Amino acid sequence: DAGVTQSPTHLIKTRGQQVTLRCSPKSGHDTVSWYQQALGQGPQFIFQYYEEEERQRGNFPDRFSGHQFPNYSSELNVNALLLGDSALYLCASSLSGAEQYFGPGTRLTVT
Amino acid sequence: AQSVTQLGSHVSVSEGALVLLRCNYSSSVPPYLFWYVQYPNQGLQLLLKYTTGATLVKGINGFEAEFKKSETSFHLTKPSAHMSDAAEYFCAVSEGSGQGAQKLVFGQGTRLTINP
Repeated sequence: DAGVTQSPTHLIKTRGQQVTLRCSPKSGHDTVSWYQQALGQGPQFIFQYYEEEERQRGNFPDRFSGHQFPNYSSELNVNALLLGDSALYLCASSLSGAEQYFGPGTRLTVT
Repeated sequence: AQSVTQLGSHVSVSEGALVLLRCNYSSSVPPYLFWYVQYPNQGLQLLLKYTTGATLVKGINGFEAEFKKSETSFHLTKPSAHMSDAAEYFCAVSEGSGQGAQKLVFGQGTRLTINP
């Protein structure tokens, strides 16, 4: 049984560019959450998708947007990248419960 | 708003010694509490969780944690440290399941170092 997968593993972008990160949830899971983990910090909640709709959102600007597809996979989009967006982006999936399973993350570097 | 405080950004113990990682939380509703471990360049792995019921929770790799409502604490312990326990540990709180999973609020993390 495949766990949560994320792509790409690493990404380097230039300030001002746009980026799309992808996540496939654990088999059978219907909820996807995204977190940003800056270096040396704990993960910060960005938003959560359920039934293809954003259900919760953390304290992140509108430059951060997402999407969930009918197969429950999800994308995180970040526009107008800033140097401060450099971080590990984690995707977590769950099935209508409190236990979230995390993927390995995508390391984004903005130069 | 919920919050988590992990006391000690770095903890160092000898192999075979007791591991104690401290976590205090703030929540306006009965919390769900979690401990996650993160190895270098990897995602988060769930060690254990408290939802309801027994306040002493056992997890993987010999770790356990006790929910103490009066102290708003959820400290993580392991009787005997192993070299493979060296990692970053995160305590997290959520408001419970409700309609699907609720967001997790994480502490800043504690880096555990094991000395041979």
